[in-house]
Amino acid sequence: DGGITQSPKYLFRKEGQNVTLSCEQNLNHDAMYWYRQDPGQGLRLIYYSQIVNDFQKGDIAEGYSVSREKKESFPLTVTSAQKNPTAFYLCASTQASSGNTIYFGEGSWLTVV
Amino acid sequence: EDQVTQSPEALRLQEGESSSLNCSYTVSGLRGLFWYRQDPGKGPEFLFTLYSAGEEKEKERLKATLTKKESFLHITAPKPEDSATYLCAVQDPSNDYKLSFGAGTTVTVRA
Repeated sequence: DGGITQSPKYLFRKEGQNVTLSCEQNLNHDAMYWYRQDPGQGLRLIYYSQIVNDFQKGDIAEGYSVSREKKESFPLTVTSAQKNPTAFYLCASTQASSGNTIYFGEGSWLTVV
Repeated sequence: EDQVTQSPEALRLQEGESSSLNCSYTVSGLRGLFWYRQDPGKGPEFLFTLYSAGEEKEKERLKATLTKKESFLHITAPKPEDSATYLCAVQDPSNDYKLSFGAGTTVTVRA
């Protein structure tokens, strides 16, 4: 099946640790994104990448890092510098020819313990 | 400042009781407005894209409309399976790749 796969679904992190969330897509989309969702707030953009080996900061990039070594993969690392990392993280992708409709994965829950 | 505001925050409906959700936006030169449905603990599911004032799109019991300052999502004769959070987003006029999302309207439909 075509789609966007995020893993793990649930992740627990101890304070001071870095963790990496995986995102893989087989839709042949050029652009990929990471959003953060907190209760009662809209989705906020962390990073996005339009092409391989290139990415741009979104609105809340501090404390996060990404890489885009392959078209289908866009992992997100939540570093110890992120002060409030507990949230629901969503990966997404789009193909410009589709009118820039962004499609989402199923999300990953990160909890700091 | 907020570019996208959704109201109400929550909506409780009886099965069959039609209603509308509002999404107001402040961006100038709208390039695209998107509606998504999100179930608890899941990623948003794409519903509609609207590009110009006067445009309407329908899918089953949902109909989205667009004016120059707001969009409405009309739910006609809702069923319990229409219970979800509905998200609205607008395309950044200076960057086609960026969307600004509203906080969403959580709809609960009781049988």
